[in-house]
Amino acid sequence: GENVEQHPSTLSVQEGDSAVIKCTYSDSASNYFPWYKQELGKRPQLIIDIRSNVGEKKDQRIAVTLNKTAKHFSLHITETQPEDSAVYFCAAVGGNNRLAFGKGNQVVVIP
Amino acid sequence: KAGVTQTPRYLIKTRGQQVTLSCSPISGHRSVSWYQQTPGQGLQFLFEYFSETQRNKGNFPGRFSGRQFSNSRSEMNVSTLELGDSALYLCASSSKQGQETQYFGPGTRLLVL
Repeated sequence: GENVEQHPSTLSVQEGDSAVIKCTYSDSASNYFPWYKQELGKRPQLIIDIRSNVGEKKDQRIAVTLNKTAKHFSLHITETQPEDSAVYFCAAVGGNNRLAFGKGNQVVVIP
Repeated sequence: KAGVTQTPRYLIKTRGQQVTLSCSPISGHRSVSWYQQTPGQGLQFLFEYFSETQRNKGNFPGRFSGRQFSNSRSEMNVSTLELGDSALYLCASSSKQGQETQYFGPGTRLLVL
């Protein structure tokens, strides 16, 4: 089945700087890649997603890039703010039609 | 629309007992998936139900089972509880079968003593 790896596990950034989280996946048939944000004590919420026929997608301060050849995708957060502090999960839907999650990245934005 | 709801929110059980968790999806959503969340392991897929049928299953032992009713509400059952079953159990609903955009519930936090 699909295996998704996320790096780094913890990321600290100064407020206003950019944060980048990278994920790799194993199943070349994967075609859908969502990102979820989970604030402390809250449920995961979808923040952006990308499909395999697109290389990049942007929504305000958040962007996701996909490299199908290398089988990795990344989340970019620009002009980070304290409310961006959370755990971010990447995921991929593989050929078995199952959503596989990475183990999450703790992002800490330092004011 | 009301979001995904889960009951109960917190539960304490002892080893060997069994537990049933409930999930009500967003109105109109027919797919419900269940996940186990533990520190360090992230979100692990348990199973997905669509139109009352299990469509996909993760790598959990048979002690974990589920079902879905005609109104799309779903229940998850864990029998013969073990200490390692302590976790946050999240359900998520989707409008389509297959695991695309998922809307998560608040979760049920289960503690096994």
